[in-house]
Amino acid sequence: SQTIHQWPATLVQPVGSPLSLECTVEGTSNPNLYWYRQAAGRGLQLLFYSVGIGQISSEVPQNLSASRPQDRQFILSSKKLLLSDSGFYLCAWSGGQGSSPLHFGNGTRLTVT
Amino acid sequence: TQLLEQSPQFLSIQEGENLTVYCNSSSVFSSLQWYRQEPGEGPVLLVTVVTGGEVKKLKRLTFQFGDARKDSSLHITAAQTGDTGLYLCAGPGAGSYQLTFGKGTKLSVIP
Repeated sequence: SQTIHQWPATLVQPVGSPLSLECTVEGTSNPNLYWYRQAAGRGLQLLFYSVGIGQISSEVPQNLSASRPQDRQFILSSKKLLLSDSGFYLCAWSGGQGSSPLHFGNGTRLTVT
Repeated sequence: TQLLEQSPQFLSIQEGENLTVYCNSSSVFSSLQWYRQEPGEGPVLLVTVVTGGEVKKLKRLTFQFGDARKDSSLHITAAQTGDTGLYLCAGPGAGSYQLTFGKGTKLSVIP
């Protein structure tokens, strides 16, 4: 069966520090991978998605970036965190196009101080 | 841009009561998905509805897709404390690989 792992679960970082969040998927090949951010337990904002190794689409211009170095690995990064980067970050995968269900990891709670 | 509006935003009810939450749009969707998210966890898919007028049941949860495929509802019968969570609806977005999410209904079931 397919599983998705996301870490760390919580993170407290000072303003201006770098960020690296990692997500890996097991049990499937060539998944579509996504990074979402959720503010205050509300709706999800799509940040990045990837349909293949090295292919990244950005939905929201900001100081975050994403990379997909391997088929089932997706990384969210920042060189210098802002206070506004605080939030709940969710990685997800799907097996098809826009109507395919998403399978989410358990998220990373990021607090920028 | 296809938007999904969910109502109510917050709902607090007693255990055993019935409730309905709504997901509305001015756009037609080819399908809609419902997710439930518990605090500190990722959303989990409950159901996908694809046909206008479709009704799907998942134990005490009944999902309906509007005839015009612009809206959907979730009805819970005899709510239990385990139903507490954030209910999100989502539909295919503008791009081929995107889902558009509503802001969710936060449900609290009080024992």
